[in-house]
Amino acid sequence: AAGVIQSPRHLIKEKRETATLKCYPIPRHDTVYWYQQGPGQDPQFLISFYEKMQSDKGSIPDRFSAQQFSDYHSELNMSSLELGDSALYFCASSPEMRDQETQYFGPGTRLLVL
Amino acid sequence: GENVEQHPSTLSVQEGDSAVIKCTYSDSASNYFPWYKQELGKRPQLIIDIRSNVGEKKDQRIAVTLNKTAKHFSLHITETQPEDSAVYFCAASTSGTYKYIFGTGTRLKVLA
Repeated sequence: AAGVIQSPRHLIKEKRETATLKCYPIPRHDTVYWYQQGPGQDPQFLISFYEKMQSDKGSIPDRFSAQQFSDYHSELNMSSLELGDSALYFCASSPEMRDQETQYFGPGTRLLVL
Repeated sequence: GENVEQHPSTLSVQEGDSAVIKCTYSDSASNYFPWYKQELGKRPQLIIDIRSNVGEKKDQRIAVTLNKTAKHFSLHITETQPEDSAVYFCAASTSGTYKYIFGTGTRLKVLA
């Protein structure tokens, strides 16, 4: 079965650079979520989109922005990168959240900021 | 704000024994509670979930119980095997929101 696809899988950036992470949800899933997971930490919710509209917002820094496109893929744009942004970034997708649907996680993008 | 507490943070059991992980949530409106297993550097994978209209759910060696009054839910793994070793996260979600609040995780080690 098709799963959530994330690219790139690994990314190394310098401080103050920008990064773009991409997420392709499972076919027929219209809701996308982004999470940030630091070493030894639980996943922290950043932002979610349903039908290309922002649906919820968590602890996402103002330096980050995200959007969902007409084909339902999503991109997380990160600017002015800081050392503390080094983490695993997971994207998850689910069918429309009518009454709480399971979120299926992608393999993650490991970002290292030097 | 919304919060999910998870205990214990680490748990070591002998192969074949049972393991129990407990979570407490703060938002009384939470109504969906998934459990994820995460191996090192890998994605979280759903192992079982429960909705607020159910008190218990079982899937082979894994079961989850929910006490809405006390706002806590627990994961039970019986006949543990070495391949059960991983980090387990509980999460809570509320209708009308599009996010999970995760617990802090439990590192389970099953000793052969």
